[in-house]
This record gives sequence, C-alpha cells and structure tokens, in this order.
Amino acid sequence: AQSVTQLDSQVPVFEEAPVELRCNYSSSVSVYLFWYVQYPNQGLQLLLKYLSGSTLVKGINGFEAEFNKSQTSFHLRKPSVHISDTAEYFCAVRAGGATNKLIFGTGTLLAVQP
Amino acid sequence: DADVTQTPRNRITKTGKRIMLECSQTKGHDRMYWYRQDPGLGLRLIYYSFDVKDINKGEISDGYSVSRQAQAKFSLSLESAIPNQTALYFCATSDGRTEAFFGQGTRLTVV
Repeated sequence: AQSVTQLDSQVPVFEEAPVELRCNYSSSVSVYLFWYVQYPNQGLQLLLKYLSGSTLVKGINGFEAEFNKSQTSFHLRKPSVHISDTAEYFCAVRAGGATNKLIFGTGTLLAVQP
Repeated sequence: DADVTQTPRNRITKTGKRIMLECSQTKGHDRMYWYRQDPGLGLRLIYYSFDVKDINKGEISDGYSVSRQAQAKFSLSLESAIPNQTALYFCATSDGRTEAFFGQGTRLTVV
C-alpha cells in the first residue's frame, strides 16, 4: 500500500525568501504524484502533478517540484514567496494499477510573514 | 457552475441523527471519492467508487455508508452521527489517469 509523509507540519518564512516543502512517499509500484493547495476556507486546488516524463515539474504561482525516485521524494519549491502564498499544502500519491486510490499527506502550513 | 458540487456547504446536526451529504459532478468521471479533513491529519479516505457498481471502503469507513446513485452522483451518509464525526468533508472525482477534482467541501458539526 502506498503512503505519504510530509515531514513539516508548519513552515514559517519571510516574504521573498525561498521555501521548500518536503514530501516523501512509499509505494511498491509506479506512482503519480500531486501537490494541492488549500487557501483559508476554500477547497483544494491542484498546484502541479507528476505523471511521467521530466522529473522537474512546474506548476501554478511559480511553484515547482522534483520527482526523485531513488529517494522517493517529491519536494515542492518556490524561489521567492509572497504573503498570498500563505496556505496549507498537501502532497498526494496515486499508485498505478487497478487500485488507484489517491492518498494524502497530513499537510504543511506555509506561513509567510512580512 | 462548479465541476464538483457538494450540498450542503455547512450543516449542524445533533448526536444520533442521520445525515446525508451529497456530491454531483459534471466532469464525466467514473471515479468518485469521499474524504474527511481534520486539523493535523490531512485528508483521509472514507469511501471510493470506480463505477456505479463498484464501491470500496477507505481508511476510515466505520460509521459511514455511501450510495452511487448514478455516474455523476455519490452520497455519503452518517447513520447515527457522533461528535467525533465533526469535520470538513470533501468529495472528489477522477478519470484515473490525471488529477482529482475537488468540491468546495461540507463543514459538518455534530453537537
């Protein structure tokens, strides 16, 4: 069965600083990986996804993530954050094959301070 | 109109009451999911359905039941609500090849 670990429950950062939100997964089969963002009092919005191909994936709002199969990681990065990036970020994994469940990590709250 | 619509958006109910949360989608997807979100626990899968005749339990199905009335409709029921079912509930849909699409959520409070 697959699982997702987000190591940091909260990440405080100053505006215009770079940020990395960590995500590790476990799965015995090939995976598809996602990052979703949840702004306060809203639903989940897709930031980016890795399905196949290039391991560096670019998403919306200047975010990117790199799929590292050997380290089973899919860390999210942004070179310069804005106040408006304050939100909760969820990493998710879906295994290939018939089961195809989408499993989420526990989330990381990104708190951008002026 | 939203691709995935959840009703109601907010609900307060009493312990022991039966309640149904509804989800409908216009994406044409065959796969639908119900999750609950609790602070610090992320989203946990309650039930999922790959088509109208295929219903599966997720991680935390105890105390919940579902009905897939049509490809576009997937309802979640709490037969006898209890306070620890107070949470934010999300419905999602997927074609199984790309990302999942989420509704806006239903905030349920059991008092």
